[in-house]
Amino acid sequence: LAKTTQPISMDSYEGQEVNITCSHNNIATNDYITWYQQFPSQGPRFIIQGYKTKVTNEVASLFIPADRKSSTLSLPRVSLSDTAVYYCLVGDDTDKLIFGTGTRLQVFP
Amino acid sequence: DTAVSQTPKYLVTQMGNDKSIKCEQNLGHDTMYWYKQDSKKFLKIMFSYNNKELIINETVPNRFSPKSPDKAHLNLHINSLELGDSAVYFCASSQSGSPDTQYFGPGTRLTVL
Repeated sequence: LAKTTQPISMDSYEGQEVNITCSHNNIATNDYITWYQQFPSQGPRFIIQGYKTKVTNEVASLFIPADRKSSTLSLPRVSLSDTAVYYCLVGDDTDKLIFGTGTRLQVFP
Repeated sequence: DTAVSQTPKYLVTQMGNDKSIKCEQNLGHDTMYWYKQDSKKFLKIMFSYNNKELIINETVPNRFSPKSPDKAHLNLHINSLELGDSAVYFCASSQSGSPDTQYFGPGTRLTVL
């Protein structure tokens, strides 16, 4: 069974760049890598998705190396409102979609 | 105009009771899911339905029974509730061609006493 692992928690200060990595050794060949953000008492919400190399939107960037066995979510210049839990979601080689273990990001003033 | 809604938001009940959680989506999606999130924030898929047909059924006790009356609704019925069922349950939906882009409901916090 695929293991999709992330650091349990990260701390940062406002204005800094934060990089959160997800390890997904058994990612399926054709599947995308998707990241979600979850605030307390809310459901996860989609942030960004990519297949390879780099993707950027108004919220974040996603870096994916050539072997696709990991991915890094990059949040530029975080603010207090970026304090949340971040999850990666990948499909494994048995066609299962698996959420990562989640990374709790705490941003301090 | 909430996209994915769940009721109730909170549910407190005694062990052994039977309860249901309802989910509705107005996004026109044809795939819906139920997830369980434990106290450590792990998100585990329980069920997935596509056009009212069950397509994913993870290792979940058969006390949990999903029902999809139409593709906009996926309800979760739980029999004989146990202490370990206490968690937050999330409903989600997606288009069948994009299962990795899911829209989640606000969650139902179930507490079994």
